Amino acid sequence: DAKTTQPNSMESNEEEPVHLPCNHSTISGTDYIHWYRQLPSQGPEYVIHGLTSNVNNRMASLAIAEDRKSSTLILHRATLRDAAVYYCILRAYSGGGADGLTFGKGTHLIIQP
Amino acid sequence: DSGVTQTPKHLITATGQRVTLRCSPRSGDLSVYWYQQSLDQGLQFLIHYYNGEERAKGNILERFSAQQFPDLHSELNLSSLELGDSALYFCASSVVRLARASEQFFGPGTRLTVL
Repeated sequence: DAKTTQPNSMESNEEEPVHLPCNHSTISGTDYIHWYRQLPSQGPEYVIHGLTSNVNNRMASLAIAEDRKSSTLILHRATLRDAAVYYCILRAYSGGGADGLTFGKGTHLIIQP
Repeated sequence: DSGVTQTPKHLITATGQRVTLRCSPRSGDLSVYWYQQSLDQGLQFLIHYYNGEERAKGNILERFSAQQFPDLHSELNLSSLELGDSALYFCASSVVRLARASEQFFGPGTRLTVL
């Protein structure tokens, strides 16, 4: 799977939007962009994924650049519960689906009350 | 609650011993993945089973092995334990083997401490 680059940490205020960036300049045409997060003392939790178009779900939005070399996870109104490590992960779609997720160091998101 | 269960929550043992970690996937999920999370290595993929068959191996040591049973629960066996094996062990399940886009649901983890 191709490599991703994320800031080590970000800080935001409660009830404000948060934009978490991810660079993936070596992404291939069939790589899906996945986001997971890990709250303190818990297992990772799926957030959202996309291929080319922007995606929305109840947790977040995913904005994908036109050249797909970067993406942004958007939390529309951060709460204290959103404080976690956020991982941007690329998954190659070449058939099989056998490999596990490749986690980097992620972005540690701090939410200030 | 992801629907994935792991037992035990905590395990303390000594070097050289053998332990078994257990994972029950979400109802209907055929795939089970095992991961190890340590302070120095981060989250690493160990092994994937699909419907009882091994499908992929990641950074799994030869001292470690896994299996998936007919009822789809999985066990991760760790033997000849070393201090460096102390870590959080997570399992995750997902619905479909072939769809790379399918999400994985993680259990709460088993914290292993080797003394």
